[in-house]
Amino acid sequence: DSGVTQTPKHLITATGQRVTLRCSPRSGDLSVYWYQQSLDQGLQFLIQYYNGEERAKGNILERFSAQQFPDLHSELNLSSLELGDSALYFCASSLVDRAEQYFGPGTRLTVT
Amino acid sequence: AQTVTQSQPEMSVQEAETVTLSCTYDTSESDYYLFWYKQPPSRQMILVIRQEAYKQQNATENRFSVNFQKAAKSFSLKISDSQLGDAAMYFCASIQGAQKLVFGQGTRLTINP
Repeated sequence: DSGVTQTPKHLITATGQRVTLRCSPRSGDLSVYWYQQSLDQGLQFLIQYYNGEERAKGNILERFSAQQFPDLHSELNLSSLELGDSALYFCASSLVDRAEQYFGPGTRLTVT
Repeated sequence: AQTVTQSQPEMSVQEAETVTLSCTYDTSESDYYLFWYKQPPSRQMILVIRQEAYKQQNATENRFSVNFQKAAKSFSLKISDSQLGDAAMYFCASIQGAQKLVFGQGTRLTINP
């Protein structure tokens, strides 16, 4: 158990819908990262938050957004969902920059 | 852009034997960090080992060790005394400059009993 929690574990929804994925980092970690793992794209970095502020952005679509709340939990919002958004979405956390990142169990999103 | 390459899509090894997974990376930075992550069938991403580029000594964690060749930009993972529970996808990753992890495409390791 990494100490990072993600909910829900599984999500099935239809195209065009909007979903919210939630992540709670390990106790004491200030950084939260979101990654997408799909069959054809591998593991891709989406976005990082540090202590409530956006720190770095990767290949995140405009239909996706995220935020980190004062209690340090984070949410990833995916809207106007397409079939290609079906993937495993991971949240990871770290204490400081360049430290090892610990991953949550992931949320498996299926768009039908 | 930083890249990480794993040239072995699949590897297999007999239980109790040793196997080495290869990884190369590209960087123009002098300060960076390298990692190996394991992803078993449960899909959980588990940190196996970490190496700081400024350290000459190769990292070791129990049966797992790395061979870090900085000049060659190579970072291989050696698993000794392979166990059935080692069967998984193994991802090599790096952090350079920015904070994001860049992953290789993974190597699927099978352990034969």
